[in-house]
Amino acid sequence: GQQVMQIPQYQHVQEGEDFTTYCNSSTTLSNIQWYKQRPGGHPVFLIQLVKSGEVKKQKRLTFQFGEAKKNSSLHITATQTTDVGTYFCAGFNYGGATNKLIFGTGTLLAVQP
Amino acid sequence: ETGVTQSPTHLIKTRGQQVTLRCSSQSGHNTVSWYQQALGQGPQFIFQYYREEENGRGNFPPRFSGLQFPNYSSELNVNALELDDSALYLCASSRALAGEETQYFGPGTRLLVL
Repeated sequence: GQQVMQIPQYQHVQEGEDFTTYCNSSTTLSNIQWYKQRPGGHPVFLIQLVKSGEVKKQKRLTFQFGEAKKNSSLHITATQTTDVGTYFCAGFNYGGATNKLIFGTGTLLAVQP
Repeated sequence: ETGVTQSPTHLIKTRGQQVTLRCSSQSGHNTVSWYQQALGQGPQFIFQYYREEENGRGNFPPRFSGLQFPNYSSELNVNALELDDSALYLCASSRALAGEETQYFGPGTRLLVL
C-alpha cells in the first residue's frame, strides 16, 4: 500500500539554527498538506501544495513540492522555541471510494534556547 | 480553537467492549474524517464521511464503523475492542474531501483499552 515516510525522525537544534524535514511518498500524489502538532495537542493545518514544483512561504517556513509530486520538504529558518512540535506531511490521492489522506511518520523538532 | 469538538475527552474500556465516539464539525463543513493516532506515530486515516455517506476508508477492519448525521456531526463506533485500539482518536472537519481542503482537527478522545 501507499506509504509516506519522513526524515529525520527527530531533530534537535539550537535556537536560531535552521531545520528541514523531508517527506517521500511511494506513489505520485494529487496534493500534499503539512501539519504541526504540539506535544499533547492535535494536528494544526499549515499549508497545502498542489502543483508540481510549487514553493510556498509562510514567514520563516518554506514548503516545496517536488517536480514528480512524490516528495516535499519543509524548511524553517532561524528556529524559535515556539517551533517545537512534530511536523507531519500528509499525501492525498483522488481515488473515488478510496479517497484518503496518508500521514507521514512525522519529524519531532526540539529547539534548545 | 477550531470549532471542532469531540466527546468524551478520555475513556477507559475493557477488551471486547464497544465504544462510540462523537464529533461535532465546524459550522459550514460537510465532511468529517476520523483518524487513529497511536503514541509516537502519525494519524492513521480510518474513514471519512461526506454528506452522510462514507467516502474513503483506510486499512481498518469492519468493526470500525461510523455515521454522519444531517447536521454533519459524526460518530465513530468500534466493536469488540482490542488492546491495540488504545490510541488518540481524532476527527477533522472540512468543507470538502480531506486532502482537497484545509482540515480542522478536534482535540481528540484518548481511549485506553485494558
